Amino acid sequence: IAGITQAPTSQILAAGRRMTLRCTQDMRHNAMYWYRQDLGLGLRLIHYSNTAGTTGKGEVPDGYSVSRANTDDFPLTLASAVPSQTSVYFCASSDSGTGSYTFGSGTRLTVV
Amino acid sequence: AQSVTQLDSQVPVFEEAPVELRCNYSSSVSVYLFWYVQYPNQGLQLLLKYLSGSTLVKGINGFEAEFNKSQTSFHLRKPSVHISDTAEYFCAVTGGANFGNEKLTFGTGTRLTIIP
Repeated sequence: IAGITQAPTSQILAAGRRMTLRCTQDMRHNAMYWYRQDLGLGLRLIHYSNTAGTTGKGEVPDGYSVSRANTDDFPLTLASAVPSQTSVYFCASSDSGTGSYTFGSGTRLTVV
Repeated sequence: AQSVTQLDSQVPVFEEAPVELRCNYSSSVSVYLFWYVQYPNQGLQLLLKYLSGSTLVKGINGFEAEFNKSQTSFHLRKPSVHISDTAEYFCAVTGGANFGNEKLTFGTGTRLTIIP
């Protein structure tokens, strides 16, 4: 089934540890995004990539980094996790031909 | 830059009653508007979207929305709700010349609770 795969589904992480959230799509979409969802705040953009090899900062980029080595993969790295990064993280991609956005099922991250 | 305001954080509605979830946007460029639904502990599912053409957009599960450019609104409606409509609803906007390659900006969400 075409779509976005995120891993892990959930994770409990000690503060100060490094963590990479994985995101893979099989639709050959050029643009990919990382959002975090927090109660009462909706979804906020962390980083995005319009095409392989390029990335950009979103609304809440501090403490996060991304890379886009190829079209399919868009990992999100927390270099040194802090409790305020406890959230649900969604990866998404968009199709420039149809304007459709596809979301992954999310990663629930708890930093303790 | 675009922004979205969802005026109601929570909306309780009796089963089989009509509902309207409000969404207002601001944008300096042409806009494309979306409504997503999120059921408990699940991801986001597209309900409907407005890209161009008819301002009345019909989506899944009996929902519809009307794009009103003069009022910068994109309210979501359903004439008769069901218990299964209990969920969080998000309005989102994107726009600009780079269609389909631009970020979505989300509202803060409206929690719809259906009362039996």
